[in-house]
Amino acid sequence: GDSVTQMEGPVTLSEEAFLTINCTYTATGYPSLFWYVQYPGEGLQLLLKATKADDKGSNKGFEATYRKETTSFHLEKGSVQVSDSAVYFCALRGLGNYKLTFGKGTLLTVNP
Amino acid sequence: NAGVTQTPKFQVLKTGQSMTLQCAQDMNHEYMSWYRQDPGMGLRLIHYSVGAGITDQGEVPNGYNVSRSTTEDFPLRLLSAAPSQTSVYFCAIGQGENYEQYFGPGTRLTVT
Repeated sequence: GDSVTQMEGPVTLSEEAFLTINCTYTATGYPSLFWYVQYPGEGLQLLLKATKADDKGSNKGFEATYRKETTSFHLEKGSVQVSDSAVYFCALRGLGNYKLTFGKGTLLTVNP
Repeated sequence: NAGVTQTPKFQVLKTGQSMTLQCAQDMNHEYMSWYRQDPGMGLRLIHYSVGAGITDQGEVPNGYNVSRSTTEDFPLRLLSAAPSQTSVYFCAIGQGENYEQYFGPGTRLTVT
């Protein structure tokens, strides 16, 4: 079945540091890939997505590229802020499938 | 979280009690689902619905019932609560070919 493996946290960075959170997946066919963010005490919000190979999703300075050859969708940001502190989830949706499969989440803490 | 409401925000139950978690949407989206979020486990799908009158099981359906009599509402019922059902529950909705899922703010349930 489909599965998502993402970098275990917690990740602690200083403000303006570079961020990478690794995500790899297993799925049949060509799934759509997503990054969701959960701020403390809130629900999940879609951060970015990519629906086909080599697509780059981007939002709020975050980027991720759909790499079919390595089955990866790593999240990156060049300069993190304290306000980026949150839990980040990588997820996939199989072709023709409504259901999302999530990774376990990565807690990011950014210190001033 | 706009468009998806969940009630209550917090609930404490005793083992064996029953209750219904409410999810309502005002976006006319066809797809609705329930997830539970547990530490170190990510989000796991409980039940989902692709339209009024249609429901199906997700990854962890045992102990939960759902129904979808209208497009707007998708209640989750716990018939006999158990401590293993202590969790944060999220409702999500989606629509369209490349739909994105929008999450509600969550219900934190504790079963003692």
